[in-house]
Amino acid sequence: NAGVTQTPKFQVLKTGQSMTLQCAQDMNHEYMSWYRQDPGMGLRLIHYSVGAGITDQGEVPNGYNVSRSTTEDFPLRLLSAAPSQTSVYFCASSYRSNNSPLHFGNGTRLTVT
Amino acid sequence: DQQVKQNSPSLSVQEGRISILNCDYTNSMFDYFLWYKKYPAEGPTFLISISSIKDKNEDGRFTVFLNKSAKHLSLHIVPSQPGDSAVYFCAASGRGGGSNYKLTFGKGTLLTVNP
Repeated sequence: NAGVTQTPKFQVLKTGQSMTLQCAQDMNHEYMSWYRQDPGMGLRLIHYSVGAGITDQGEVPNGYNVSRSTTEDFPLRLLSAAPSQTSVYFCASSYRSNNSPLHFGNGTRLTVT
Repeated sequence: DQQVKQNSPSLSVQEGRISILNCDYTNSMFDYFLWYKKYPAEGPTFLISISSIKDKNEDGRFTVFLNKSAKHLSLHIVPSQPGDSAVYFCAASGRGGGSNYKLTFGKGTLLTVNP
């Protein structure tokens, strides 16, 4: 099993550019989430999904869009990148059952200049 | 307002000794707590968890203790090994506000185990 796969691993954008961070999981997990990690900070929840067709906002959703058209994929879109979005982004997934831990991908390091 | 606090940014211990990582929380709605370990350039990996109905959970060398009245939990690693060197994140969730997919993380503690 590949687990949670994130692409790309690294990305440099100019301010105002758009891009999509890809996330796919092959564990048939119902739940998927996006977190960002900034230096000296813990991981903060951006958006999450409890199933195909259902998404909701987390702690820091501004500047990001998500959609969940399939169980496997949960892309994160930056419509107009800003330097404040420079961060490491982690996608995670888990089963619906209580106490099922999150499985994380290896992250995408994004730099916005 | 930080709801999950890890007040020690770093900890250094000798191989074979005990490592104790601490975590405090402020939100009384939290009832499920987890520890994740993170190596550089990798995603966090789940280590151990504890529900608020328990005060201790063990898994091999790793034990998590929960003191609900003090809103404090700790992770004990015995004996510590050089491969345990990583950043450890404490995380919490509340059933009332969601499930384990909506975690609130602390800032992490860098553990270094010296041979």
